[in-house]
Amino acid sequence: GAVVSQHPSRVICKSGTSVKIECRSLDFQATTMFWYRQFPKKSLMLMATSNEGSKATYEQGVEKDKFLINHASLTLSTLTVTSAHPEDSSFYICSARHAPSEQYFGPGTRLTVL
Amino acid sequence: DAKTTQPPSMDCAEGRAANLPCNHSTISGNEYVYWYRQIHSQGPQYIIHGLKNNETNEMASLIITEDRKSSTLILPHATLRDTAVYYCIVRVGGGTSYGKLTFGQGTILTVHP
Repeated sequence: GAVVSQHPSRVICKSGTSVKIECRSLDFQATTMFWYRQFPKKSLMLMATSNEGSKATYEQGVEKDKFLINHASLTLSTLTVTSAHPEDSSFYICSARHAPSEQYFGPGTRLTVL
Repeated sequence: DAKTTQPPSMDCAEGRAANLPCNHSTISGNEYVYWYRQIHSQGPQYIIHGLKNNETNEMASLIITEDRKSSTLILPHATLRDTAVYYCIVRVGGGTSYGKLTFGQGTILTVHP
């Protein structure tokens, strides 16, 4: 099946720094990728929809200036958490749309902000 | 997208069939039923999806009632590795919200020896 990777799998950073998370579709091209956030014992919450070559569409309540998304190629989307704070600590998961009706998820990135 | 209702948790004995129900009474004619599962600290894994006919693949079977207001995911021979949170999601097959998946709380399935 289609494979989606994320890098890094785990990151610890100091408060105030920025962190970049990469999402790659390894064996298919994805014009659309999605970014989710998941807090402990909670469900996944969609943050934004990333379309190759255009601006991302953010869900209500998600700060676009804090969570920068770039989808510069058909196999790579990046999420940058700017000026990270402890409340941004979470499990960030990307997914990529494959074929008309299937969506595959990455393994997730656990961000811890000290 | 239509809202779904799932039991918060279920248990199943290893080797037995696990039947996970999902209610989606407000589903529209163009909305599909999707099932994903998430093993602890991993990304969700696609299982199966369907519109109105029953579907089967190497992982599971999906039974959708005739009125499409509910469905059941069947894992025919559950193993310990099937312990996970199972999400039933209903979404349109196209249009402006195409691709967006709205996750509910899901069902925590625990398979025990």
